[in-house]
Amino acid sequence: GAGVSQSPSNKVTEKGKDVELRCDPISGHTALYWYRQRLGQGLEFLIYFQGNSAPDKSGLPSDRFSAERTGESVSTLTIQRTQQEDSAVYLCASSLARHNEQFFGPGTRLTVL
Amino acid sequence: ILNVEQSPQSLHVQEGDSTNFTCSFPSSNFYALHWYRWETAKSPEALFVMTLNGDEKKKGRISATLNTKEGYSYLYIKGSQPEDSATYLCAFPNAGNMLTFGGGTRLMVKP
Repeated sequence: GAGVSQSPSNKVTEKGKDVELRCDPISGHTALYWYRQRLGQGLEFLIYFQGNSAPDKSGLPSDRFSAERTGESVSTLTIQRTQQEDSAVYLCASSLARHNEQFFGPGTRLTVL
Repeated sequence: ILNVEQSPQSLHVQEGDSTNFTCSFPSSNFYALHWYRWETAKSPEALFVMTLNGDEKKKGRISATLNTKEGYSYLYIKGSQPEDSATYLCAFPNAGNMLTFGGGTRLMVKP
């Protein structure tokens, strides 16, 4: 079956612009996670969605970051007024339930000039 | 903030060598321990999710053990092949929803 997909695969933007990243999870997966990996650093949790429950936003680094998910389908991560330190690979993952193995998408490489 | 540590940070081995590396994690409030393999230019791929103390899991030439009382897990690769070259990540879920990843062990297998 289809895996997790993300778009765009690459995004280059200018400092101060807004960007929107998209994630399509595996059908039937109730849990969806966003992570990022900045150069030379490990994977950093950003936000978690579980079904129709309120998302866990505890990993979002600032109020410039927000994310939405429609039911148990597509999620979008929005970064407003991008800064150079936002440059990273943004990964989305989904799983059948919390704490189950996660299936990752190919990532979006964001470069902020 | 949970402390999940992996060692070594990187490892170079010859094809055919067997190798192992370590993940250490908090021994209290254990839920599960995940292992992922992350090849360059690809997405992380789940290897194992381990939940019970003493668990041993195997997938082909790769196996893992778990000691929840002392807070460590070992990943073993028998007869390493060049295609095993990747970063191996362990991850520890907390009581909430966050999965804390270790820094990874970068394995390079020379033909």
